[in-house]
Amino acid sequence: AQSVSQHNHHVILSEAASLELGCNYSYGGTVNLFWYVQYPGQHLQLLLKYFSGDPLVKGIKGFEAEFIKSKFSFNLRKPSVQWSDTAEYFCAVRNTGGFKTIFGAGTRLFVKA
Amino acid sequence: EAEVAQSPRYKITEKSQAVAFWCDPISGHATLYWYRQILGQGPELLVQFQDESVVDDSQLPKDRFSAERLKGVDSTLKIQPAELGDSAMYLCASSSDSEETQYFGPGTRLLVL
Repeated sequence: AQSVSQHNHHVILSEAASLELGCNYSYGGTVNLFWYVQYPGQHLQLLLKYFSGDPLVKGIKGFEAEFIKSKFSFNLRKPSVQWSDTAEYFCAVRNTGGFKTIFGAGTRLFVKA
Repeated sequence: EAEVAQSPRYKITEKSQAVAFWCDPISGHATLYWYRQILGQGPELLVQFQDESVVDDSQLPKDRFSAERLKGVDSTLKIQPAELGDSAMYLCASSSDSEETQYFGPGTRLLVL
């Protein structure tokens, strides 16, 4: 069965530190990949997505993610986090042959001012 | 900016009672999703509609849960009878079609006592 694994449940960083959140999935076929973010008190919103083409994807607010097919990974990165990046981040995968999107358990990021 | 609307935002009920949640997707979006998010986990798809037809309800507990989208626009998710384990956030999302980005509503937080 398809699954998504996010390596860290909680991450605490100081402002200006670099961020990398891990995401691995299990599915052998072609996939669409997503990172969603949920800021405190707000609903889930799309941060970035990969469908095809350049495996390095740039999203909103300075975030980027790299799809490494051989590692079944889609890690999220940001070179310098801000206090306003405090949120929960979800990786999600959808196989192109089906409809269902599978979400990881999420990573709570807390950025200290 | 168009948004997915959900109501109520919060619901407290006693076990064995019936509850219903309503979702109004972004206008023109053919695909509608209901997810359940248990605390500490990522969203899990309960049911997916394409217009008024169900395309995936494999994770919907059909003995107590039902969902409908009669005119292919807004949708209702019902639980009868509610159980303690149903306490969770119920999220609705919509997309222009099943291959596109999902837009999430604010969710309905259900507490079953």
